[in-house]
Amino acid sequence: EADIYQTPRYLVIGTGKKITLECSQTMGHDKMYWYQQDPGMELHLIHYSYGVNSTEKGDLSSESTVSRIRTEHFPLTLESARPSHTSQYLCASSERQAGEDNEQFFGPGTRLTVL
Amino acid sequence: GENVEQHPSTLSVQEGDSAVIKCTYSDSASNYFPWYKQELGKRPQLIIDIRSNVGEKKDQRIAVTLNKTAKHFSLHITETQPEDSAVYFCAARASGYSTLTFGKGTMLLVSP
Repeated sequence: EADIYQTPRYLVIGTGKKITLECSQTMGHDKMYWYQQDPGMELHLIHYSYGVNSTEKGDLSSESTVSRIRTEHFPLTLESARPSHTSQYLCASSERQAGEDNEQFFGPGTRLTVL
Repeated sequence: GENVEQHPSTLSVQEGDSAVIKCTYSDSASNYFPWYKQELGKRPQLIIDIRSNVGEKKDQRIAVTLNKTAKHFSLHITETQPEDSAVYFCAARASGYSTLTFGKGTMLLVSP
């Protein structure tokens, strides 16, 4: 079934650790996004990608980095996690048809807690 | 860049009542306006969207209206049910841009 997958779903780590949040989509979409969201609160765009080898920073300053080596895979990395990084991270994807961007589909999210 | 304001931040209604959530946007070039519903602990999901070439769109109990002159759009939910309880986000995107700008969300509580 076409979907967006995120792993892990929950992660508790200590300060200073390096972590990678995985996002994969089987929807064949060219565009992918990472959002940071405290539960039920505003969605903050932190990174996005138009396609392979394309990455852009979003509106919210973030100490994370992303890569897009394969169309279906868009991992997010924190080199040194801090308690301020505690949040939910949502991955999303969309495709462009006939010159128009279509619906963004969201993954289930990764709930990160940094102690 | 685009700025989207959303009101109210919380809305409590009785089952069967109507609910209206309003958003304003700043960029007159914006032409795509989706609404997302996020239930507790779940991912946001698109419930309805509208493009700037139409003024209103309906899907069963939900409808969206768009006023391009005033740069505002609204979500209308009729005959609300407890399962409508969720956080609702409006968003806007200008043609040629790849990203959505979201409002801060409205928590809708429907009491039985």
